[in-house]
Amino acid sequence: NAGVTQTPKFQVLKTGQSMTLQCAQDMNHNSMYWYRQDPGMGLRLIYYSASEGTTDKGEVPNGYNVSRLNKREFSLRLESAAPSQTSVYFCASSTTGGSGANVLTFGAGSRLTVL
Amino acid sequence: GENVEQHPSTLSVQEGDSAVIKCTYSDSASNYFPWYKQELGKGSQLIIDIRSNVGEKKDQRIAVTLNKTAKHFSLHITETQPEDSAVYFCAASKGNNNAGNMLTFGGGTRLMVKP
Repeated sequence: NAGVTQTPKFQVLKTGQSMTLQCAQDMNHNSMYWYRQDPGMGLRLIYYSASEGTTDKGEVPNGYNVSRLNKREFSLRLESAAPSQTSVYFCASSTTGGSGANVLTFGAGSRLTVL
Repeated sequence: GENVEQHPSTLSVQEGDSAVIKCTYSDSASNYFPWYKQELGKGSQLIIDIRSNVGEKKDQRIAVTLNKTAKHFSLHITETQPEDSAVYFCAASKGNNNAGNMLTFGGGTRLMVKP
């Protein structure tokens, strides 16, 4: 059981280039998320998809777009990369835990550097 | 919106000692407080969580305490082992089964356990 798989693990871009981060989960979770992690700032939500066919903005959506391709896959696109988007990106999916709240399962991360 | 502060940002302890990480939150409506552990090169994993109707929860060497009045909660790890070395994130949310009730994460604590 692979859990949450995201690709690529590492990417270097030049300012203005575009790229797409791919994410897939095999746990039949309804909800999926994209976070970015910057030193000292924790995990900040970029976009999420509560269910197949829906997407919503999180805390820091500017400069990004997402696509919920199907129940398994949720991609994050940078149309014109900027140095401020240098970060580690994490995809996650969630189900309802025993406490009734969303329990997130994270991918291993994608380190993106924009020069 | 919710704001979660986490301290310290780094913590170094000797193997066998205890480690305590503290978080404060701003939104009195938050009622769900999970802790996630991020090991090097991996995605974060839920290690323990607590709801606001409980003051303390324990799971083997890990415990979480919550003070609703003061709006702070803490992670306690006893008898630390080298495999406890990781980055720990606290989070807060309104915690019901709704992807729209997002987790707000603290800035993270890098715990190093020296053998």
